[in-house]
Amino acid sequence: ENVLTQSPAIMSASPGEKVTMTCRASSSVSSSYLHWYQQKSGASPKLWIYSTSNLASGVPARFSGSGSGTSYSLTISSVEAEDAATYYCQQYSGYPLTFGAGTKLELK
Amino acid sequence: QVQLQQSGPELVKPGASVRISCKASGYTFTSYYIHWVKQRPGQGLEWIGWIYPGNVNTKYNEKFKGKATLTADKSSSTAYMQLSSLTSEDSAVYFCAREDDYSFDYWGQGTTLTVSS
Repeated sequence: ENVLTQSPAIMSASPGEKVTMTCRASSSVSSSYLHWYQQKSGASPKLWIYSTSNLASGVPARFSGSGSGTSYSLTISSVEAEDAATYYCQQYSGYPLTFGAGTKLELK
Repeated sequence: QVQLQQSGPELVKPGASVRISCKASGYTFTSYYIHWVKQRPGQGLEWIGWIYPGNVNTKYNEKFKGKATLTADKSSSTAYMQLSSLTSEDSAVYFCAREDDYSFDYWGQGTTLTVSS
C-alpha cells in the first residue's frame, strides 16, 4: 500500500500569507495520478488540483501544485478566509487507492 | 449538470446489513467509474472500491472484501453499496464519487451510517 503522509497536520495562516503543504508517498507516484481535494466541515470533498498541477474548474489562481516521484506540494500564494478547509492528497498510481490524512488550514 | 444524489441517513443494528444508493444524472452513467469512499467521524478518507456500470466490473480494497458489495442498475443510473455484518466500526459517512481520468471530479453529498443497538 502506498502510504501518503501529509504535513503539517494543522497549519494556521493570516490572510495574505503564502502557505505550502506537502504530501510524501512511500512509493513513487506518477505525477498524472496525484490529486488534491478540498473538504470543508460537513461537506463533501471537492476536486481541487488534479495531476499534480492542474487546477479544477473554479479553483482560484492563487492555488498551485507541484512535485514528482514521492514528494508533492500544494501552495496558496495569498491565503484568503474562504481557503480554510482540510486538504487531502490522493494517489491513483496503484491499488489500493490511498489518501493522505489531510492538512487542516486554519485562518488567524 | 452532473449530480450524484445519495440516499438518506441510516440507523441500523449491529449484525445487520444496509444498502446505500447513489443516483447519477447529467452524464452517461455507463461511461464512468463510480467509487465509494468512507470517512469516519473526524477522520480522513478511505477508498472502498469502484464499479464500472458499463460492464459491472468491480475492484475492491482488500480491507473491504467481504464487507462491501458494489452493484449498479443501468436502467435507473443508480449505483449501490451494500455493507454487511455491521459493527460500530462501520459507523461513518460514505461518499460515492465519479472518476474522470483517474481523479474524482464529482461527489455525492454523503450518507451517514450509524450502527447502534
